[in-house]
Amino acid sequence: KQEVTQIPAALSVPEGENLVLNCSFTDSAIYNLQWFRQDPGKGLTSLLLIQSSQREQTSGRLNASLDKSSGRSTLYIAASQPGDSATYLCAVRRGSTLGRLYFGRGTQLTVWP
Amino acid sequence: DTAVSQTPKYLVTQMGNDKSIKCEQNLGHDTMYWYKQDSKKFLKIMFSYNNKELIINETVPNRFSPKSPDKAHLNLHINSLELGDSAVYFCASSQEGAGRETQYFGPGTRLLVL
Repeated sequence: KQEVTQIPAALSVPEGENLVLNCSFTDSAIYNLQWFRQDPGKGLTSLLLIQSSQREQTSGRLNASLDKSSGRSTLYIAASQPGDSATYLCAVRRGSTLGRLYFGRGTQLTVWP
Repeated sequence: DTAVSQTPKYLVTQMGNDKSIKCEQNLGHDTMYWYKQDSKKFLKIMFSYNNKELIINETVPNRFSPKSPDKAHLNLHINSLELGDSAVYFCASSQEGAGRETQYFGPGTRLLVL
């Protein structure tokens, strides 16, 4: 069974800081890994998807890396802004297409001006 | 032009009632999902359908019955509602294959069972 852990559970930083959010998973036989953002009272928004054969993906100020063998992914947020405040969720997909997603419990990020 | 929409957004009902939640996606995706997010914000898959066929049924009580009339719709019917069913239910969709499996989520349906 796949277990996904996210550290830290909560993070509060001043605007402008560079951040690293961590995700670890117990079973390295994954198909892909996806990072999401969830704003209070809203649905999830996909940020980045990394295939199992890839090492990283970048979108704007976000960079996600994947080390499948060690069961780790990091989400790097550069020059954080108050608008980045949200809960960030990591999810891994089991080893094939149509496999289920296993979610972590998220990191709640607050960026204050 | 909402990609994944759910109705209703809020649902307050009494224990023992039967209710339905509807989901529609206009992205042309072939796979749709139902997730449950509990009070501690933990998100867990309930069902997934690919081309109207059930793919994942994740140890959900049989009071929950999904129905996919076509690829763009996946509805969730719940019989005999219990207090523990109170949660936020999210619908999602994706297009499988060739690295396009990004899942797109609806806004959620907040169910409160009294």
